[in-house]
Amino acid sequence: GAVVSQHPSRVICKSGTSVKIECRSLDFQATTMFWYRQFPKKSLMLMATSNEGSKATYEQGVEKDKFLINHASLTLSTLTVTSAHPEDSSFYICSAREHHRERETQYFGPGTRLLVL
Amino acid sequence: KNEVEQSPQNLTAQEGEFITINCSYSVGISALHWLQQHPGGGIVSLFMLSSGKKKHGRLIATINIQEKHSSLHITASHPRDSAVYICAVREASGTYKYIFGTGTRLKVLA
Repeated sequence: GAVVSQHPSRVICKSGTSVKIECRSLDFQATTMFWYRQFPKKSLMLMATSNEGSKATYEQGVEKDKFLINHASLTLSTLTVTSAHPEDSSFYICSAREHHRERETQYFGPGTRLLVL
Repeated sequence: KNEVEQSPQNLTAQEGEFITINCSYSVGISALHWLQQHPGGGIVSLFMLSSGKKKHGRLIATINIQEKHSSLHITASHPRDSAVYICAVREASGTYKYIFGTGTRLKVLA
């Protein structure tokens, strides 16, 4: 079946640095990808919708200059956490939407755990 | 009140027990996912439903669109089933956005 991968799976960085997280659809083309964030013991919250070839659509309260999203190809979206702070430490998950004829399916990536020291 | 409610929030079962996790939602949806999140965070998609019932191994998922309710059943539970199970609904608005429940933390004891 379709698979969505994320890289890296875990990352530790120093405060002030930038971190890039990749989300790839491995055997299908994803015109739309979604980025979620999960706080400890909380449900996932949508951060932004990433559309191939156009600007991402951010949810209310999400800083677009802080969380840069690029969807340069039909199989890759990247989330860059700029000037990371300890409060950015979280679990980041992407999902990718496959649209095939009359069927639409979303597949979730395994997630990336970010720890900012 | 959350738009997606799961019950119970926490569940401890003995190995072999039949387990049911419930999900109720208050918005119009076009699909519902059941996700499994293991300790350490990795998420696995178990089912996507838009109607009826699906079965995969020891897992069964059902959905009742009229009642806005879905259940995830685990037969012959095993300690390796211990995880957080998350219900996620895709809004019917055409935006393909998902709303997530807070999850049910399952622990199966040997």
